[in-house]
Amino acid sequence: KAGVTQTPRYLIKTRGQQVTLSCSPISGHRSVSWYQQTPGQGLQFLFEYFSETQRNKGNFPGRFSGRQFSNSRSEMNVSTLELGDSALYLCASSLDGPQTTNTEAFFGQGTRLTVV
Amino acid sequence: KQEVTQIPAALSVPEGENLVLNCSFTDSAIYNLQWFRQDPGKGLTSLLLIQSSQREQTSGRLNASLDKSSGRSTLYIAASQPGDSATYLCAVTFSNYQLIWGAGTKLIIKP
Repeated sequence: KAGVTQTPRYLIKTRGQQVTLSCSPISGHRSVSWYQQTPGQGLQFLFEYFSETQRNKGNFPGRFSGRQFSNSRSEMNVSTLELGDSALYLCASSLDGPQTTNTEAFFGQGTRLTVV
Repeated sequence: KQEVTQIPAALSVPEGENLVLNCSFTDSAIYNLQWFRQDPGKGLTSLLLIQSSQREQTSGRLNASLDKSSGRSTLYIAASQPGDSATYLCAVTFSNYQLIWGAGTKLIIKP
């Protein structure tokens, strides 16, 4: 059974550019959540998608957006990149969602984004 | 404000010792609590998920407990091994659907 796949693994972008990250969940999982991990702030919740709808959103500016496709694959987009956006972006999939009871989240390896 | 705190931030113990990692949360109204490990430069691996109605979960040498009333969870690791070296993270899903993470405990097991 394949795990959660995130692409690309590493990315270097310059300030002002935009970037799109991809996450393919475990087959059969309908919920995909995105997290940002930085040394200073730790893990922070970005948003969660379930059945192509954004179900929950963290406290990030509108430059951070996402979507989910009918096959549950999800993309996250960050526009007008800032140096502070440099982080490890993690995606997690679960059968239902982390915001419901008793659903275990499985994480991908992450995409390490460096903004220069 | 809902917060999750992990103490200590770092821990170094000799191989073979039993150890306890702590996670505390400020609101007892939770759905579940999950423990993860993260190896350097890698994603997270789920270790144990404790439902709000449960008091503990066990997997191999790992045992996680949950005390909602006091807002605490512990992860007990028995007979530690060098391969247990990693950062251990606690994540709490509160009843308002917010998922909050602790900052993690960096564990080093010395051979």
